[in-house]
Amino acid sequence: QKEVEQDPGPLSVPEGAIVSLNCTYSNSAFQYFMWYRQYSRKGPELLMYTYSSGNKEDGRFTAQVDKSSKYISLFIRDSQPSDSATYLCAMSSNTGGFKTIFGAGTRLFVKA
Amino acid sequence: DTAVSQTPKYLVTQMGNDKSIKCEQNLGHDTMYWYKQDSKKFLKIMFSYNNKELIINETVPNRFSPKSPDKAHLNLHINSLELGDSAVYFCASSLEGTFYNSPLHFGNGTRLTVT
Repeated sequence: QKEVEQDPGPLSVPEGAIVSLNCTYSNSAFQYFMWYRQYSRKGPELLMYTYSSGNKEDGRFTAQVDKSSKYISLFIRDSQPSDSATYLCAMSSNTGGFKTIFGAGTRLFVKA
Repeated sequence: DTAVSQTPKYLVTQMGNDKSIKCEQNLGHDTMYWYKQDSKKFLKIMFSYNNKELIINETVPNRFSPKSPDKAHLNLHINSLELGDSAVYFCASSLEGTFYNSPLHFGNGTRLTVT
């Protein structure tokens, strides 16, 4: 079993839809949770990060962490064609040192 | 200004050859990494250097050898290339090793194809 599980998709939605992306994990030591966005032929870029459980909102994006269920989510409201990309969840811990573990990434297509 | 830059962007070579990929960051970060992304987009850490010291060395064949001449540069040399080495290799950097307000900044990758 991988430490971080993420459905690779692809996920196709119409413009304006609410998108929900999810990851589950097995290591209860993870404390820092991140979402990276990766456009085709580019490197991943940090989109959101949260520490421990709770919600964080930034514009159209909301990140949620439920440590009791070992489950994290990213919601995208009013999705745009420019949101079409691969979204990777990532996590790390103080005990994990310098290591950030990534999910497999979910490919998202937003159709105009 | 590109924060993390890698060269070359594309690398096509034959099995058995030796090749190098170079990475430079101008962010003043202390830690640099090499990640490998396979055809299914799975991103896996290979190595990490903190202030020129190797701190992460995952289960990677010893044909792969990283070198950090200074904390702004991290190179990856690959000997005796194999078909399975075909992937995108990403360099990344972070301010500090553990993530505390210290996300990874990635380059745009080197797409390696071994024929």
